[in-house]
Amino acid sequence: ELKVEQNPLFLSMQEGKNYTIYCNYSTTSDRLYWYRQDPGKSLESLFVLLSNGAVKQEGRLMASLDTKARLSTLHITAAVHDLSATYFCAVVQFYFGTGTSLTVIP
Amino acid sequence: DAGITQSPRYKITETGRQVTLMCHQTWSHSYMFWYRQDLGHGLRLIYYSAAADITDKGEVPDGYVVSRSKTENFPLTLESATRSQTSVYFCASNFGWSYNEQFFGPGTRLTVL
Repeated sequence: ELKVEQNPLFLSMQEGKNYTIYCNYSTTSDRLYWYRQDPGKSLESLFVLLSNGAVKQEGRLMASLDTKARLSTLHITAAVHDLSATYFCAVVQFYFGTGTSLTVIP
Repeated sequence: DAGITQSPRYKITETGRQVTLMCHQTWSHSYMFWYRQDLGHGLRLIYYSAAADITDKGEVPDGYVVSRSKTENFPLTLESATRSQTSVYFCASNFGWSYNEQFFGPGTRLTVL
């Protein structure tokens, strides 16, 4: 059974702080996806990581992929309130993690 | 409307009734997906389709039926709704297999009484 585990499941952080969300998966995959979901809304794509060592950055978010460790990270730099959302990783296109609910406190 | 749409957005039904959730995309994407989202489970794939008339089961297909007679439409039918099928359902599509992210519809919140 393929497993995709995210941690932490819940994250409360102060504005201006840095933090990392982890996504571990149990199968061989060289592709990983990160999505964002605002409360009551749909999902939107953040990053598509297509190879080992891939790193992508958009604003205060940076995602990386280590296929050998079966690990992806989503790093948040100097968090702002607008980043409050639930973040999902997904592997093999459609196996999603349970999500990390991020709350940024002013 | 351009993009991917779902209807209805909200639905309340009773146990044993048949319900069909509609999904329509205007991009001519080959792949389409149906997910359900429940607290503590993230998103779980119900069915997906690689093209018109090609569908395959996902992680939780029991109790659901899909069809895809046209590329742009991918309806999901609950043949006899049960309370355990109360959930938020998302349809998604993408152009190619694994090189591209999925684009999600707005979701349908289904309550089975």
